[in-house]
Amino acid sequence: IVLTQSPGTLSLSPGERATLSCRASQTVISSYLAWYQQKPGQAPRLLIYGAFNRATGIPDRFSGSGSATDFTLTISRLEPEDFAVYYCQQYGGLQYTFGQGTKLEIK
Amino acid sequence: QVHLVQSGAEVKKPGSSVRVSCKASGGDFSSVTILWVRQAPGQGLEWMGGIIPMDGTPDYAPKFQGRVTITTEEPTNTAYMELSSLTSEDTAVYYCARGGGGFGEFLDYWGQGTLVTVSS
Repeated sequence: IVLTQSPGTLSLSPGERATLSCRASQTVISSYLAWYQQKPGQAPRLLIYGAFNRATGIPDRFSGSGSATDFTLTISRLEPEDFAVYYCQQYGGLQYTFGQGTKLEIK
Repeated sequence: QVHLVQSGAEVKKPGSSVRVSCKASGGDFSSVTILWVRQAPGQGLEWMGGIIPMDGTPDYAPKFQGRVTITTEEPTNTAYMELSSLTSEDTAVYYCARGGGGFGEFLDYWGQGTLVTVSS
């Protein structure tokens, strides 16, 4: 399954709302769709699992939604620390794939 | 709290092999999935393979089949990833991660990463 994220780069200002898209080439079981945040020089951090469940310690401004082939990560009100690269990931058939990432940059 | 600590950076010659270790602490090791993911400079994340230590049978991404070997050493809670026939395209940061959820379907804890540089 190929995951395509859009946009490639998103330029927004602190306080604005961010909407990131992840589209799958085939249906993904919602329970097996996750989102990660990665900052330069750091390992990725799990944000969302099962399409909409926030991982431990993740602020509630992060939310996930979607089903089948279309999934969305929304950050309701951007904080300065939210500017990073975001990846979606799916699991199926003992295989894992990642999207190519969306870079969220300060406008 | 789960911690995954990886071995240090490596510089390798083309055609050689590299072995990266990942030591787990603070949680169950035997029954969870340990995954390996790599990230080339400026690029995205790429899954290489995974293993459940108590099962012992690894799964590999098709791209790496035949060139990667993932093993575990349960007494020391350590996982290993060995990649052979290295080329410059294998220059990347290699991460181990724990698979969370009932089927290890998401990666909830990550190691700090190990930079492998392949250069003549």
